Amino acid sequence: AQSVAQPEDQVNVAEGNPLTVKCTYSVSGNPYLFWYVQYPNRGLQFLLKYITGDNLVKGSYGFEAEFNKSQTSFHLKKPSALVSDSALYFCAVTPGASGTYKYIFGTGTRLKVLA
Amino acid sequence: DTEVTQTPKHLVMGMTNKKSLKCEQHMGHRAMYWYKQKAKKPPELMFVYSYEKLSINESVPSRFSPECPNSSLLNLHLHALQPEDSALYLCASSPRDRVLWTQATDTQYFGPGTRLTVL
Repeated sequence: AQSVAQPEDQVNVAEGNPLTVKCTYSVSGNPYLFWYVQYPNRGLQFLLKYITGDNLVKGSYGFEAEFNKSQTSFHLKKPSALVSDSALYFCAVTPGASGTYKYIFGTGTRLKVLA
Repeated sequence: DTEVTQTPKHLVMGMTNKKSLKCEQHMGHRAMYWYKQKAKKPPELMFVYSYEKLSINESVPSRFSPECPNSSLLNLHLHALQPEDSALYLCASSPRDRVLWTQATDTQYFGPGTRLTVL
């Protein structure tokens, strides 16, 4: 079965420290991977995506993510966290082999940045 | 402009009411989506329209009826809902380039959602 896992329900980090939000996937074929952020009572905002090419993807608001094919991971990172980064983060994948454009979402990780 | 708008922001309705949710985008996108999201859960896909035609219905109950009058507008008609239908309803759109057929790589852009409460 195709799936996405976000193993941590919540991540706490001090302001100014680096942050990592983890995502692993299990899909057939080449995956296309996405990160979204959701603030309370708001829609999802696109951060970045990996399609092909350079494994390190840079996105909005200083976020980046590294695609690791051997570990089937796509962890979201930021060198220096801000309190305003506190939100719910979703990883999503579209299985490239099937051609479907239906996102498979992870369960979400709540990031809390402490001042 | 990567904006998807949704109205209303909040909706409270009784189980016998009929109401509609509206979604609009002016990015020239040709795929539009309805999702349902419960608190602290990922969005669940309900419907997908591609070039104004319904392409995916995720076995959604018939009390939810989607409509895509034109390429910019998407409606969700609600009738005889149940309290368990209370949720945040999100609309999204994506380019869906027919020539390049890049559907699997498309970024979906989400609206702010409509918070629905069914009494």
